[in-house]
Amino acid sequence: DTEVTQTPKHLVMGMTNKKSLKCEQHMGHRAMYWYKQKAKKPPELMFVYSYEKLSINESVPSRFSPECPNSSLLNLHLHALQPEDSALYLCASSPGRGETQYFGPGTRLLVL
Amino acid sequence: GQSLEQPSEVTAVEGAIVQINCTYQTSGFYGLSWYQQHDGGAPTFLSYNALDGLEETGRFSSFLSRSDSYGYLLLQELQMKDSASYFCAVTPSGNTPLVFGKGTRLSVIA
Repeated sequence: DTEVTQTPKHLVMGMTNKKSLKCEQHMGHRAMYWYKQKAKKPPELMFVYSYEKLSINESVPSRFSPECPNSSLLNLHLHALQPEDSALYLCASSPGRGETQYFGPGTRLLVL
Repeated sequence: GQSLEQPSEVTAVEGAIVQINCTYQTSGFYGLSWYQQHDGGAPTFLSYNALDGLEETGRFSSFLSRSDSYGYLLLQELQMKDSASYFCAVTPSGNTPLVFGKGTRLSVIA
């Protein structure tokens, strides 16, 4: 298995909802990442997990809460989001932190 | 810190060759990567240069010159499907994650 998968592909949620984004890889990669990408902009790093431990949190608001249940799975829990949080949320993994990253297809999130 | 500069837009004709440049300022890095992203899609890894010189993968080649703080992506025999955004990214030393350039929007026209 040489890919990163993400679910759901699309998500529409209200500002009071709680939802979760899921990411999975079975390549044995030890680093996993969450990015946020707005249209016509590069991906912005949100969180980095290395060996299932949160190693980087790029000053992301607490309404975004990451979780790494095991070495293959990465979740992003969403609560009380704002319309400006609407974006493409990308998960990526790499063999080790600092190595080539491979991206999942993303979840397109719309917050109403 | 790190910063990368690449042109915001490039237009080229189908069948032609196009070069997308990337200049960078960094205190140290392991290598330069290139990613392709089609509208509505996710970034796809294209190539990685750890050493100076040219890396070739089919129609795509990537070049790095550390002494010039410069790299480029070369696309040959352009096809309409190559219309996409292309991002250069550096892997900084110290095991920190990728730093992306702002991206180059390539439009291939008939």
